[in-house]
Amino acid sequence: KQEVTQIPAALSVPEGENLVLNCSFTDSAIYNLQWFRQDPGKGLTSLLLIQSSQREQTSGRLNASLDKSSGRSTLYIAASQPGDSATYLCALSQAGTALIFGKGTTLSVSS
Amino acid sequence: DAGVIQSPRHEVTEMGQEVTLRCKPISGHDYLFWYRQTMMRGLELLIYFNNNVPIDDSGMPEDRFSAKMPNASFSTLKIQPSEPRDSAVYFCASSLDTSLQPQHFGDGTRLSIL
Repeated sequence: KQEVTQIPAALSVPEGENLVLNCSFTDSAIYNLQWFRQDPGKGLTSLLLIQSSQREQTSGRLNASLDKSSGRSTLYIAASQPGDSATYLCALSQAGTALIFGKGTTLSVSS
Repeated sequence: DAGVIQSPRHEVTEMGQEVTLRCKPISGHDYLFWYRQTMMRGLELLIYFNNNVPIDDSGMPEDRFSAKMPNASFSTLKIQPSEPRDSAVYFCASSLDTSLQPQHFGDGTRLSIL
């Protein structure tokens, strides 16, 4: 059974710092991996989607990588800002299933 | 374009009452998903539909939960009778497919069963 783990559960950094969020999974047979952002009391916003054949995706200050062989994905946030404070979730899809989510990393960026 | 629309945003009701959550997916999306989020268990899939047909309902907790999709633009998740342990945030999401396209989420329904 696929398991998705995100460590750390919470992270606090000062504004301007570059940071990396980690996601690991136990079964490499995936279709894609998505990173989402969730603000308090809100739904999930899709940030980046990496297909299983891809190694990375970039959007603005965000870069997500995927290494299926090691069962890892990272989300890199450059020059963090207080507005980046949120919970970041990774989720992956496999054959015949909907998304399987990690429990998220709650990021706090202080000014 | 309008996103996924869920109603109500908040629901507080007493144990034993029937609860109905509603979802309007993005037009043209063939897939609709219902998820539940709790602090203890995180986000978990309850059920998903493809072209209005339920494909995987293995996440539905028990017979008290039921979901329907009578047409491409509307779905309901019903709990009858409700119990305090059903308290959670329920999300609806839709997508064009399950492998190439991202899922788009509604803002959720925060359900509290007293």
